Amino acid sequence: DTEVTQTPKHLVMGMTNKKSLKCEQHMGHRAMYWYKQKAKKPPELMFVYSYEKLSINESVPSRFSPECPNSSLLNLHLHALQPEDSALYLCASSPSGGSYGYTFGSGTRLTVV
Amino acid sequence: GDSVTQMEGPVTLSEEAFLTINCTYTATGYPSLFWYVQYPGEGLQLLLKATKADDKGSNKGFEATYRKETTSFHLEKGSVQVSDSAVYFCALSNQAGTALIFGKGTTLSVSS
Repeated sequence: DTEVTQTPKHLVMGMTNKKSLKCEQHMGHRAMYWYKQKAKKPPELMFVYSYEKLSINESVPSRFSPECPNSSLLNLHLHALQPEDSALYLCASSPSGGSYGYTFGSGTRLTVV
Repeated sequence: GDSVTQMEGPVTLSEEAFLTINCTYTATGYPSLFWYVQYPGEGLQLLLKATKADDKGSNKGFEATYRKETTSFHLEKGSVQVSDSAVYFCALSNQAGTALIFGKGTTLSVSS
């Protein structure tokens, strides 16, 4: 298995809703990442988990809450989002450290109404 | 800090034309370099990579050579196809391997 699987593929949520994005990989990678991508822009790093511990938080608002239940799973919990949070959310994984490349999922396209 | 600069385009070519997308980087130490491709409505796919100076990455007819002396990693393809139309991102992994740093992306449009 050489894939990163993200669910759901599309999500529409209201500003008062709580929802979660899920990411799964079975490649034995020990680092997992959340990126946010706005239209016609490069991905922006949000969070990094290394060996199931949060190692980087790029000053992301607290309405985004990451969780890494085990080495194969990564969640992003969403609460009280704003319309400007609408974007493509990408999950990625890599062997410990990223020198050999990052594998990205196909993303969750989030719309906040 | 570490950064990547790539030509932003858009680049518009006819089928079978030669493609070059320039990419230069600034980094301390010895980063790994990557090209990712993003087709409309999809996530990022790793196109090719190079982990040390003078390495050449290649895949699907695309090539790029890690040039430390010019801090460059230009993407080339000898004959593009309509199916190559996509956004191409140059990226580096810093020496600590803690993050992937992207250029702004280059949109390629190939017409038949």
